[in-house]
Amino acid sequence: DQQVKQNSPSLSVQEGRISILNCDYTNSMFDYFLWYKKYPAEGPTFLISISSIKDKNEDGRFTVFLNKSAKHLSLHIVPSQPGDSAVYFCAASAGSGNQFYFGTGTSLTVIP
Amino acid sequence: GAVVSQHPSWVICKSGTSVKIECRSLDFQATTMFWYRQFPKQSLMLMATSNEGSKATYEQGVEKDKFLINHASLTLSTLTVTSAHPEDSSFYICSALQYDRYGYTFGSGTRLTVV
Repeated sequence: DQQVKQNSPSLSVQEGRISILNCDYTNSMFDYFLWYKKYPAEGPTFLISISSIKDKNEDGRFTVFLNKSAKHLSLHIVPSQPGDSAVYFCAASAGSGNQFYFGTGTSLTVIP
Repeated sequence: GAVVSQHPSWVICKSGTSVKIECRSLDFQATTMFWYRQFPKQSLMLMATSNEGSKATYEQGVEKDKFLINHASLTLSTLTVTSAHPEDSSFYICSALQYDRYGYTFGSGTRLTVV
């Protein structure tokens, strides 16, 4: 049973525009969420995290929004750059340090 | 949807013993599986790429004789941590690649504690 879902396998965005990647989860016990970025032939790299006590966390061009009632989180990238083209995974856990459940990823292509 | 089952979800072992972690693709065949190690709030570190029927490809710095990987079937890959030490305590995650779509399905991870 997929507890974390990324329903869009791919997304294309023009350079300079906003990229919005979405993630839904089913387990209400999840309280810690992460986004990873993965380039081909490399392992995923940590991007940004958010705990359930917040509804927004910002780091430079990256902002993660959490809607607990909807069990939904999203990653906004503004402005999008060609170097942002990669696969993005969201992951969730019930408490930091516990096992993570990953979405299947969204492949983002930023068109120059 | 694609499911990867990883067992056990957590294990505590004594220093010097070996631990086997299993990664199974439940509803698809996975020619390629990946094993990662995760440190808290850090990136997943790719340890090795496991290909069915052939030897695993290890990343630089990963000891082949310590982390034994076997991918004997299209649905099962195993990671055995041999002669475990406390510094091997970590979170290990497997991932399987489906070739009919660009998608990586991750297992839920195994938390290994070596005491």
